[in-house]
Amino acid sequence: KAGVTQTPRYLIKTRGQQVTLSCSPISGHRSVSWYQQTPGQGLQFLFEYFSETQRNKGNFPGRFSGRQFSNSRSEMNVSTLELGDSALYLCASSFLDNEQFFGPGTRLTVL
Amino acid sequence: AQSVTQPDIHITVSEGASLELRCNYSYGATPYLFWYVQSPGQGLQLLLKYFSGDTLVQGIKGFEAEFKRSQSSFNLRKPSVHWSDAAEYFCAVAADTGTASKLTFGTGTRLQVTL
Repeated sequence: KAGVTQTPRYLIKTRGQQVTLSCSPISGHRSVSWYQQTPGQGLQFLFEYFSETQRNKGNFPGRFSGRQFSNSRSEMNVSTLELGDSALYLCASSFLDNEQFFGPGTRLTVL
Repeated sequence: AQSVTQPDIHITVSEGASLELRCNYSYGATPYLFWYVQSPGQGLQLLLKYFSGDTLVQGIKGFEAEFKRSQSSFNLRKPSVHWSDAAEYFCAVAADTGTASKLTFGTGTRLQVTL
């Protein structure tokens, strides 16, 4: 069974732009969570989607948003990028809410 | 709010030596606890998890962890470290019992293995 896939793997943007990251969960998994990883703040939970509905949300500004499609694929969007948004963005999927499987991440660099 | 503390930022051990990585959590109810490993440039791989029951949990790659409620700890151990174990290790707690979909992570412990 294929693992969690994230596209693109690397991305370079400039301040003020917006970006969309994509995550395809493991087949059959309906929950998708997003995390931001930075050297200063570590791993922080962004939000979780289950059956196309946001089920949990972390403490991030409204510039960070997400959605989930009927096939469980998820996208996250960051608008008006700031230098501090440079990070590794990790997506994780879950089947029975008892274990998360992580993708390789998307490395976002904001210049 | 729940929190996780990993007191050791960096640990160096010799190959073949035993390893213990510390993790302390703060959570009101019985927590769901996890250990993940991350190799450079990679995502997170689950080593083991604790939900309930036997407090000594076996995981992959020869790792184990022991849940001690009285000490609010969930330390990771391995009897004999291999050079390939060099990576960063994260302890995590699930925010809501019953689901592991919202994790709070510790700051991580970077393991270096000397030959």
